[in-house]
Amino acid sequence: DTAVSQTPKYLVTQMGNDKSIKCEQNLGHDTMYWYKQDSKKFLKIMFSYNNKELIINETVPNRFSPKSPDKAHLNLHINSLELGDSAVYFCASSLRGGGIDNEQFFGPGTRLTVL
Amino acid sequence: EDKVVQSPLSLVVHEGDTVTLNCSYEVTNFRSLLWYKQEKKAPTFLFMLTSSGIEKKSGRLSSILDKKELSSILNITATQTGDSAIYLCAVSFYGRLGGADGLTFGKGTHLIIQP
Repeated sequence: DTAVSQTPKYLVTQMGNDKSIKCEQNLGHDTMYWYKQDSKKFLKIMFSYNNKELIINETVPNRFSPKSPDKAHLNLHINSLELGDSAVYFCASSLRGGGIDNEQFFGPGTRLTVL
Repeated sequence: EDKVVQSPLSLVVHEGDTVTLNCSYEVTNFRSLLWYKQEKKAPTFLFMLTSSGIEKKSGRLSSILDKKELSSILNITATQTGDSAIYLCAVSFYGRLGGADGLTFGKGTHLIIQP
């Protein structure tokens, strides 16, 4: 009964490849996110996605694109992978609504290594 | 640019000690401040604070927000080795998605509890 799940857990690939990371949440949340955590453990928002409205952090290269087939899924597709893309990528979800109790729940992370 | 600053960046104490972790923020349209604990995997939620001066408590952990000083503290009393982790402070704001624009994280405090 995992709340937020990601696949794969580990991804090792060569520079220049295209890869995808999948995220699913079964919490009934309406907003999903992607975060990148670098080697210094700094977590940074990449995307927020709610009801087909996408907010992109302006520092994210356009090689990264989120794709949401439905409300419970937000996948991350990365084109032309670079060495600097190596990091742990976390998916998260929350309930937007009007309430204040909308803490974000994080998935287990995907460790991406680009060789 | 929005900013969340945590101090200290690392802290080593002995079991049984009390620790205070600090977080200050400069965020436009502040909505809430959240504390997370990160061990080996995903950040796990500890507290969400929206109102100034109201302490939230969970066992040996407690936290309080000071909106006037734009800061929060996380206290851990009678520390145990299992408290060793990275403690992350994050702030949410009212943006284009009305509070679902993602969290801005600090760099974390790496807490080590020695037996």
